[in-house]
Amino acid sequence: KAGVTQTPRYLIKTRGQQVTLSCSPISGHRSVSWYQQTPGQGLQFLFEYFSETQRNKGNFPGRFSGRQFSNSRSEMNVSTLELGDSALYLCASSLDSGRAYNEQFFGPGTRLTVL
Amino acid sequence: QQPVQSPQAVILREGEDAVINCSSSKALYSVHWYRQKHGEAPVFLMILLKGGEQKGHEKISASFNEKKQQSSLYLTASQLSYSGTYFCGTAPGGGNTPLVFGKGTRLSVIA
Repeated sequence: KAGVTQTPRYLIKTRGQQVTLSCSPISGHRSVSWYQQTPGQGLQFLFEYFSETQRNKGNFPGRFSGRQFSNSRSEMNVSTLELGDSALYLCASSLDSGRAYNEQFFGPGTRLTVL
Repeated sequence: QQPVQSPQAVILREGEDAVINCSSSKALYSVHWYRQKHGEAPVFLMILLKGGEQKGHEKISASFNEKKQQSSLYLTASQLSYSGTYFCGTAPGGGNTPLVFGKGTRLSVIA
């Protein structure tokens, strides 16, 4: 099976712009979660989508949003970018039967740099 | 709510053992362990569930003390390939509860 793919891999934006990141999960996986990773902070949960519905949301401002399509592909959008949004954004997919029981498969991430 | 991992970093020589700890202030339903090599995606190692069930790689050993809300990952006879940052993710509830990850433990194995 092909792994989780994310595009683009690298992105440079300036403050105030907006950005859209894309994630294609492993075939058959219906759950897609997004994480922000910054040095020293570990993985911070952004949100999770399952069957086109946001099922959980982390503690991030409303500038961060996402959606999921009928083929389980997911996009994440960040509006009005700030310098602090510079990070590695990871998406992870898993089977649909509850995250507490199932491993997550991570994509390689999108490295976002905000200047 | 974020679990606390210790140590923050450790350096080992090949063949040595290490223990990485993960502690939570909340009651836990499950603990997940992942390893991330530099520049790569985190990779699943193990899940430990309340009640004693485990699933993961055969060569990885871990424990889960539900009462103490702690988990430990045991790396024995370390190899160079064990180098990376280890993250624990905790789930206070079952089902669709989001995982909360610790800040990671950086492990370096040297020859």
